Amino acid sequence: DAGVIQSPRHEVTEMGQEVTLRCKPISGHNSLFWYRQTMMRGLELLIYFNNNVPIDDSGMPEDRFSAKMPNASFSTLKIQPSEPRDSAVYFCASRPETGFWEQYFGPGTRLTVT
Amino acid sequence: QKEVEQDPGPLSVPEGAIVSLNCTYSNSAFQYFMWYRQYSRKGPELLMYTYSSGNKEDGRFTAQVDKSSKYISLFIRDSQPSDSATYLCANLIQGAQKLVFGQGTRLTINP
Repeated sequence: DAGVIQSPRHEVTEMGQEVTLRCKPISGHNSLFWYRQTMMRGLELLIYFNNNVPIDDSGMPEDRFSAKMPNASFSTLKIQPSEPRDSAVYFCASRPETGFWEQYFGPGTRLTVT
Repeated sequence: QKEVEQDPGPLSVPEGAIVSLNCTYSNSAFQYFMWYRQYSRKGPELLMYTYSSGNKEDGRFTAQVDKSSKYISLFIRDSQPSDSATYLCANLIQGAQKLVFGQGTRLTINP
């Protein structure tokens, strides 16, 4: 099993630009989570999906952030326009239907907005 | 007050020492208690989970939950340099979807 795949691994962009982060969950997992990690705030849940449907987006900081899951094998997190305070590591995690306590994290995307 | 509190450290101990990592929480509805390990520049990985109160042992690792005091611990025996990582506690309400993470404790085991 390849695990959760995220791309790109690193992204450096200028303030105001659009950023799109991508995630491929583990095959067969039915839940997908997007997190953001910073030194100051730790690991924060942004949004999660069950069976491709967004369930809770209360962690999305602003309307500049949006997430989609068009099918069971792909999700995107978009920031438009990006700001320096969005700089963080963004993780995607997936979870099987059974074993609801276990989430499998991807390697993360390190985003720097200058 | 955060739902899950964890001392961020850093914590530095010599190889072979017993390590104790701790979290406190405020929501008595939490039923599942997890420990995730995160190596530098990697995603967190599930290390152990415990349901309700009690102890659970896995090799050199022991997870302990005391629901009466809302206190969870992870003990590492015979610590190794390869245990150097950030350890995050995470709690879950039964039937809920969202894990609530602590801040993480950065641990270094010195050879």
